[in-house]
Amino acid sequence: AQSVTQLGSHVSVSEGALVLLRCNYSSSVPPYLFWYVQYPNQGLQLLLKYTTGATLVKGINGFEAEFKKSETSFHLTKPSAHMSDAAEYFCAVLGTGRRALTFGSGTRLQVQP
Amino acid sequence: GAVVSQHPSRVICKSGTSVKIECRSLDFQATTMFWYRQFPKQSLMLMATSNEGSKATYEQGVEKDKFLINHASLTLSTLTVTSAHPEDSSFYICSARGEEGPGGNQPQHFGDGTRLSIL
Repeated sequence: AQSVTQLGSHVSVSEGALVLLRCNYSSSVPPYLFWYVQYPNQGLQLLLKYTTGATLVKGINGFEAEFKKSETSFHLTKPSAHMSDAAEYFCAVLGTGRRALTFGSGTRLQVQP
Repeated sequence: GAVVSQHPSRVICKSGTSVKIECRSLDFQATTMFWYRQFPKQSLMLMATSNEGSKATYEQGVEKDKFLINHASLTLSTLTVTSAHPEDSSFYICSARGEEGPGGNQPQHFGDGTRLSIL
């Protein structure tokens, strides 16, 4: 079985500041890890994913995440927040059986002007 | 990129009626489709997984007679909420995945969701 924990249901940053959204996972097999973004009343858009290979993964909109096996983490970062980054962010893991994604509880990012 | 179309985007109907939600993969063949339910300000909860041409696999606690899933073709899956009641009101999201190759890392592509409101 697998699980995902997102620390902080709400994160607020100033425009131009660093964005850091935390994600820890558990998986009995080498995990595939994903970050999705959801805007109000919309589905999910894939930001980035880690499957194998390079542990620092770059995604769309300037986001990146680093897979750290020793810390079972896959934190999402962006050097400089933009107002348009305000949304809900979900970390997800594809673990045993590579069946369906297991999502974290989500983190709502607010960007203050 | 891969596009998944979900229709309708919003439904309001009376208690007791049945509602059908469609999920289509527009530019790829979706061998597997997933249906999720999302309560306000909460995460996505997997309801069921469907593979084209076979019966859906439901998650524990999800009533298969209440939530009928059909995946009759490689581009279309439907979720029918039968005899809907106010407690079925929620945001329903589908996702689709193409055929898995070695390593099983085909991404899931999500529809825009359907907001179902039962009066």
